[in-house]
Amino acid sequence: GENVEQHPSTLSVQEGDSAVIKCTYSDSASNYFPWYKQELGKGPQLIIDIRSNVGEKKDQRIAVTLNKTAKHFSLHITETQPEDSAVYFCAATLNTGFQKLVFGTGTRLLVSP
Amino acid sequence: DVKVTQSSRYLVKRTGEKVFLECVQDMDHENMFWYRQDPGLGLRLIYFSYDVKMKEKGDIPEGYSVSREKKERFSLILESASTNQTSMYLCASRTAGISLPGANVLTFGAGSRLTVL
Repeated sequence: GENVEQHPSTLSVQEGDSAVIKCTYSDSASNYFPWYKQELGKGPQLIIDIRSNVGEKKDQRIAVTLNKTAKHFSLHITETQPEDSAVYFCAATLNTGFQKLVFGTGTRLLVSP
Repeated sequence: DVKVTQSSRYLVKRTGEKVFLECVQDMDHENMFWYRQDPGLGLRLIYFSYDVKMKEKGDIPEGYSVSREKKERFSLILESASTNQTSMYLCASRTAGISLPGANVLTFGAGSRLTVL
């Protein structure tokens, strides 16, 4: 089955800096990679996702890159703001049949003003 | 605007009690999920349901059961609560239509924090 490792577990940056969170996956057949953001007191919410036929995807200040050969994908947040402070989870899944998401262990991002 | 509602935000139970965690979604989603969230372990899948009356074990089903009698409601049951079940429990739902907008996207509830004494 799929296994997803996520690093770092905590990340502190100054406002305006960039933040990068990295994940690796084990199943080379996985082809869908979402990122979820969990704010304090709330459930996780999808912020961006990427499929294996694409190497990079951007949405304003966030971007995700995928390296299928190395089986890793990363979340990039530029010009960080205090409201970016949250726990971020990566996940991976096969996009055929019933797609079960396997989540990483989470990264707590703290953006200091 | 609430789409996935978990009935209890905080519960405190005693060892051996039977515990029900309720989840209701208003998006007519076929798939529903129960996850457990623990620090350093991420989100682990307990049980999921393809559709009404259907249920499948996830990665950590031991000590839990579920019920899906209606499409909008998915209940997690702890038959005899133990201290190692103290955790945050998250319910989620998703459309089964892989070609529909929002396919693959999980919508989560706000979570139920359970403490077992």
